[in-house]
Amino acid sequence: EIVMTQSPATLSVSPGDRATLSCRASQSISGNLVWYQQKPGQAPRLLIFSASTRATGVPPRFSGSGSGTEFNLTISSLQSEDFAVYYCQQNNNWPPWTFGQGTRVDIK
Amino acid sequence: QVQLKESGPGLVKPSGTLSLTCTVSGVSVNRGSFYWSWLRQPPGKGLEWIGYIYYSGTTNYSPSLASRVSISLDTSKNQFSLNLTSVTSADTAIYYCARDTVGHDYWGPGALVTVSS
Repeated sequence: EIVMTQSPATLSVSPGDRATLSCRASQSISGNLVWYQQKPGQAPRLLIFSASTRATGVPPRFSGSGSGTEFNLTISSLQSEDFAVYYCQQNNNWPPWTFGQGTRVDIK
Repeated sequence: QVQLKESGPGLVKPSGTLSLTCTVSGVSVNRGSFYWSWLRQPPGKGLEWIGYIYYSGTTNYSPSLASRVSISLDTSKNQFSLNLTSVTSADTAIYYCARDTVGHDYWGPGALVTVSS
């Protein structure tokens, strides 16, 4: 099973600042990495697939990068609606699909 | 507009069977290219993938749950279902159904299932 590790666990950011979230895979997953956003009381929302492709309707301030074992999600200028928990998920080697433990982005 | 919604008992007794159904609208579960997944999230914790079913009926389960889980498809009702046997308190979670393409792009709102006597 591929283990996904996200860092940091919590990121405190001021509105308008840039945030960079990291996700590391325990072995190479090529570019098969997905990012989700989850707000309290809601289901996760697909943000990025194939490491760097934005899903339909996702604002361009969200960008993904990386390949192999190291990946980043960058939010270029945080808006109030971006404060949430972000998860990465590998969809390269299955079973099972595996998720990172999440990074909480909160207001500084 | 694709929509999914989970339904089923919110309370299950220990050692019992957890059964949930996902009703899909806006797309046929019989259509190729889509996998239909179940995932769960214990309160305050992270996400866990349980398994999926393809339109052909092919299934794939998480190894940690494979001995207790089954997923089935009912194309006549455009639904898919989850059965999880021999549940314990560790199975208390919000259960989500979702469509899997390049990632899980459509999700149900989730159903909280509590395992308690």
